[in-house]
Amino acid sequence: DSGVTQTPKHLITATGQRVTLRCSPRSGDLSVYWYQQSLDQGLQFLIQYYNGEERAKGNILERFSAQQFPDLHSELNLSSLELGDSALYFCASSARVRSSDTQYFGPGTRLTVL
Amino acid sequence: DAKTTQPTSMDCAEGRAANLPCNHSTISGNEYVYWYRQIHSQGPQYIIHGLKNNETNEMASLIITEDRKSSTLILPHATLRDTAVYYCIVIQTSYDKVIFGPGTSLSVIP
Repeated sequence: DSGVTQTPKHLITATGQRVTLRCSPRSGDLSVYWYQQSLDQGLQFLIQYYNGEERAKGNILERFSAQQFPDLHSELNLSSLELGDSALYFCASSARVRSSDTQYFGPGTRLTVL
Repeated sequence: DAKTTQPTSMDCAEGRAANLPCNHSTISGNEYVYWYRQIHSQGPQYIIHGLKNNETNEMASLIITEDRKSSTLILPHATLRDTAVYYCIVIQTSYDKVIFGPGTSLSVIP
């Protein structure tokens, strides 16, 4: 158990809909990272937040957005969903802002878009 | 693009040492070598990391060549539960995004 929690575990929705994925980092960790893993793309870095502020952006679509709240939990919002958004979404946390810090991953949310 | 090259897949007999190679010929002086693994569809799990020196922890050993252009992750006594995809990553010490490559799929065979 990494100490990172993600909810929900599974999510099934339809094209065009909007969903919110939630992540609680390990106690004391200030950075949160979001990754997408689909069958044909591998693990793709989406975005990083540190202590409430966006710090790094990867291959995140404009239809996706994220935020980190004062209590340090984070939410990833996916809108206008397409079939290709079906994937595993992982959240990770680390103690500080540097991506070279060890990242601890949550169990993931499996999103299925029908 | 990932800065590392790993074999696509490897087999290892249960109880034997698993040696997973990684090439990172363009690594720079301030970049760490990190290893993570992912068992089935679980979240990736941190294994070990190093900068210049060899490192060992309760899970594995990391051997980095003197020129730092390659490294080897060693699982000393592989078990069936070590069957996973192993990712070798180089990461700058400063703020940077992490890029995962396709990794090596290790199968531990009874």
